[in-house]
Amino acid sequence: GENVEQHPSTLSVQEGDSAVIKCTYSDSASNYFPWYKQELGKGPQLIIDIRSNVGEKKDQRIAVTLNKTAKHFSLHITETQPEDSAVYFCAAPDQAGTALIFGKGTTLSVSS
Amino acid sequence: SQTIHQWPATLVQPVGSPLSLECTVEGTSNPNLYWYRQAAGRGLQLLFYSVGIGQISSEVPQNLSASRPQDRQFILSSKKLLLSDSGFYLCAWSVGQGREKLFFGSGTQLSVL
Repeated sequence: GENVEQHPSTLSVQEGDSAVIKCTYSDSASNYFPWYKQELGKGPQLIIDIRSNVGEKKDQRIAVTLNKTAKHFSLHITETQPEDSAVYFCAAPDQAGTALIFGKGTTLSVSS
Repeated sequence: SQTIHQWPATLVQPVGSPLSLECTVEGTSNPNLYWYRQAAGRGLQLLFYSVGIGQISSEVPQNLSASRPQDRQFILSSKKLLLSDSGFYLCAWSVGQGREKLFFGSGTQLSVL
């Protein structure tokens, strides 16, 4: 089945710096890669996603890049702000395509 | 627009007691429904998913069960809670092409003491 590895587990940056979180997946047939942001005590919220027919997608300060050959995808946050502090999860579909398998999460701390 | 309701928000239960967590979705029909668990400081573990009424797939053998008595209602249950059942339980739904895009509820923090 699908296996998703996420790094780093924690990331601390200064306000205004960039943050990068990386994930690898095992199933070469996977074709959808979302990123979720979870604030304390809340459910995860989808912030950006990418399908396998594109290599990069951008939405304001966040972007996702995908390398299908290497089976990894990354979340890039530019000009970080304190409100970006949260736990971020990457995911990929399971083999049946009916559920998402999540990475273990990255706790991002942005200090002002 | 679609909304998902999950309750209660927090729950403290003694070991050996039963459990019932409920999740309902509004504004859509025939959604896929999911239960995930998040242990403290850890990732999201898929517990159950359902593609229709009465259809439940279990991902992890455990002390829990799920039921879908109506199209937009998903229930997580246990007859006797264990300490290891403590965690943050999240209900989610998906629809549309591929049905991969999940939308989560606000979660239930369960503490088993």
